[in-house]
Amino acid sequence: EVQLVESGGGLVQPGGSLTLSCAASGFTFSNYWMTWVRQVPGKGLESVASIKQDGSERNYVDSVKGRFTISRDNAMNSLFLQMNSLRAEDTALYYCVRYSTSSGSLDPWGQGTLVSVSS
Amino acid sequence: DIQMTQSPSSVSASVGDRVTITCRASQGISGWLTWYQQKPGKAPNLLIYATSTLQSGVPSRFSGSGSGTDFTLTISSLQPEDFATYYCQQAHSYPLTFGGGTKVEIK
Repeated sequence: EVQLVESGGGLVQPGGSLTLSCAASGFTFSNYWMTWVRQVPGKGLESVASIKQDGSERNYVDSVKGRFTISRDNAMNSLFLQMNSLRAEDTALYYCVRYSTSSGSLDPWGQGTLVSVSS
Repeated sequence: DIQMTQSPSSVSASVGDRVTITCRASQGISGWLTWYQQKPGKAPNLLIYATSTLQSGVPSRFSGSGSGTDFTLTISSLQPEDFATYYCQQAHSYPLTFGGGTKVEIK
């Protein structure tokens, strides 16, 4: 069974840092782009960052450029999102998602990990 | 970034109704359009990719069409389990972007 399990969310003060992790299983992790998508509760979806199979290419939405870093460890089947200089508007549920470039689709999705930025 | 605009933002419908949701891209996306269904408290679920290809296990009452900048998701006969929020997403260029969502509610 293909599975993605996120961890690392929590409450952090504005300006603080947090690292999210995603453990992948059930598929050849190193064969896929991976993406972090966030969702403010009750609101829409926003793709935050994507990373190529070997980590050689990374893409970010403008609002997190320079603050967030996506990375991966193919040997450990793990995806990461290092988040620095966190702002209240970064508060959201963060999903780890497998991205298939052949179909342009995001599937499957993890269950999400909640990040709350508040003083 | 490519902007995706969905309409309507919400629709009230009855079981058995035909429901159509539209998604417009701010520039041509060459068919790289995906649809998701999301139910409360759950992660989104892939329905259709590449404009019109049904994901395995998705009922045939769901269909997708379109080209260029204009795309459509149609539910031919709404079932009780279809009441949810639907999102479109483009994969033509990074960053991947989503429409604002369409909530399908019970009339």
